[in-house]
Amino acid sequence: KAGVTQTPRYLIKTRGQQVTLSCSPISGHRSVSWYQQTPGQGLQFLFEYFSETQRNKGNFPGRFSGRQFSNSRSEMNVSTLELGDSALYLCASSLTLEGSPLHFGNGTRLTVT
Amino acid sequence: QKEVEQDPGPLSVPEGAIVSLNCTYSNSAFQYFMWYRQYSRKGPELLMYTYSSGNKEDGRFTAQVDKSSKYISLFIRDSQPSDSATYLCAMAGDMRFGAGTRLTVKP
Repeated sequence: KAGVTQTPRYLIKTRGQQVTLSCSPISGHRSVSWYQQTPGQGLQFLFEYFSETQRNKGNFPGRFSGRQFSNSRSEMNVSTLELGDSALYLCASSLTLEGSPLHFGNGTRLTVT
Repeated sequence: QKEVEQDPGPLSVPEGAIVSLNCTYSNSAFQYFMWYRQYSRKGPELLMYTYSSGNKEDGRFTAQVDKSSKYISLFIRDSQPSDSATYLCAMAGDMRFGAGTRLTVKP
């Protein structure tokens, strides 16, 4: 069974630009979560989608948004990029909302210059 | 106080040593407990998943949960250089992660 696939693996953007990251979950998984990982802050929860609906949102500014499609694939968008947005963005999928373990992709490494 | 506390290390041990990684938590609503291993430039990989107090063994890895003390542990027996990674504890209800412990196993 294929794992969680994230594209692209690496991105370099300049301040003020916007970026879209893509995630394909494990087949049959309906829940997709996004996390930001930085050395200083660890894993920080961005948002969670289930059946195309956002179920939970972390404490990030409105510049961070996401969506989920009917095939469970998900995208997240960051607008007006800031230097502090440089991080590893991880997508994780799970079978259900609660109790199922998360399965992570290898992330998109975003560098903002 | 953070909901999940994990010693960030780093932890360095010789090959063959027994490694003990620990997390404490404050929210008694957590029902599911996980350990993830993350290699450099990779996403976290699920190692262990359990929902009850007690021990769960998988090869060289043993996960221990003590709900009464709000304490979970991961033991690695006969540690190998390939075990060198960052280990994150996680727990749910609402998913929460520890900060991760960086482990180096020296040949």
